[in-house]
This record gives sequence, C-alpha cells and structure tokens, in this order.
Amino acid sequence: GAVVSQHPSRVICKSGTSVKIECRSLDFQATTMFWYRQFPKQSLMLMATSNEGSKATYEQGVEKDKFLINHASLTLSTLTVTSAHPEDSSFYICKTSVGLMNTEAFFGQGTRLTVV
Amino acid sequence: GQQVMQIPQYQHVQEGEDFTTYCNSSTTLSNIQWYKQRPGGHPVFLIQLVKSGEVKKQKRLTFQFGEAKKNSSLHITATQTTDVGTYFCAATANQAGTALIFGKGTTLSVSS
Repeated sequence: GAVVSQHPSRVICKSGTSVKIECRSLDFQATTMFWYRQFPKQSLMLMATSNEGSKATYEQGVEKDKFLINHASLTLSTLTVTSAHPEDSSFYICKTSVGLMNTEAFFGQGTRLTVV
Repeated sequence: GQQVMQIPQYQHVQEGEDFTTYCNSSTTLSNIQWYKQRPGGHPVFLIQLVKSGEVKKQKRLTFQFGEAKKNSSLHITATQTTDVGTYFCAATANQAGTALIFGKGTTLSVSS
C-alpha cells in the first residue's frame, strides 16, 4: 500500500523556537495532504488541508501564521510550528488519501511535539 | 459543521467477551471508515463502508452501516488482548475526497 513517511517522530524544543515536521509520500504522488493534531486521549482534529502548489486551507481556530504549511511538491508537505509554546505540545499527524472517493487514507507515523 | 458522535468513550472487557462501538451522525454520510490506533501509534485504516445496510467482516470484527447511512457499528467477537487500542470512526465531509471528520474514539482495554 501507499506509504507516508513522517519525521521527526519525536521532538522536544524550547519555548519560542520553531519546529518543522515533514511528510513524504514514498511511492505515490500526494496532491492533497491533511494535517491533524491529537491531544492526549482525544480524537484527531483537522488543522489544515494543503494542496500541491497552492495555499493551505486552515480550519477555524487554527492560526495560519503559527502553523505554516508548505506543499511545494507532490511528494513533500511540511508543517512548521512557529514560536512554539507549551500549549502547542501535541501529536501531529499527516494524512493523505488514494482514490477519487477518499477510499483509503494513509497516515504518517506522527510527530510527538513537546515544548518546554 | 458535520459531526460524528461515537460511544462509548471507554470500554473494559474480560478477554473472550464481545465489544461494540457505535457511531452516529445527524446527516447522511457518503461513507464511513474505521481506524484502530494503538497507544503511541498512528491510526491504521481498517475498512470503509459505502452502501446502505452494508455489513463487512474481518475475522472477529464485524462492521455495519445503517440503512439510513447515518450510523455505523464495529463489533468484536471474543476479544483478545491484541484488540487493545482506540477505535475511531471517520466520515468524509463530502464526496470530493476531502478531509475525514473523526469520532472521538472508543478506547478498549482487555484484561486476561
């Protein structure tokens, strides 16, 4: 099946610094990449949708200037958490899908971000 | 916006007992997907249901999609310790292959 490689898997950063998370589709072209955030013991919440070559679409309540998304190629999408704060500590995960009807979704391995 | 309600939030069973989690939506769904997430891991796709009244089986797992396409269930027969994890249902916002809206998940624990 399709593989999405996400890294880093874990990162600890100081408050005020920025962290970049990468998701690569290894054997297919990901026109669209979805970015989710999952707080402990909670469900996945959609943050934004990125399409190759265009600006990302952010969900209500998600700061686009804080969570910078770049989808410059069909195989790479990045999420940069800028000026991170402890409340940004969370599990971030990317997802893409294959098929016209979103038939099957493929997740990256996720990134556990801890801001200290 | 579209919401998918999932119950129960937690379920503990003895090994060998059955387990069921339910998802409901106030709107008709084009399809529904089920995922399993182990602690510390990422969601893994289990199955997609598309047709009204559809029933699919994967070994001890039985997935159902309601006749009105507004509800779905996942039933595990004779649970095993390997079934431990959080089970999420998810539905697409529309048919254009856009983002999935996830239920809150049901966390299953199994004691032997």
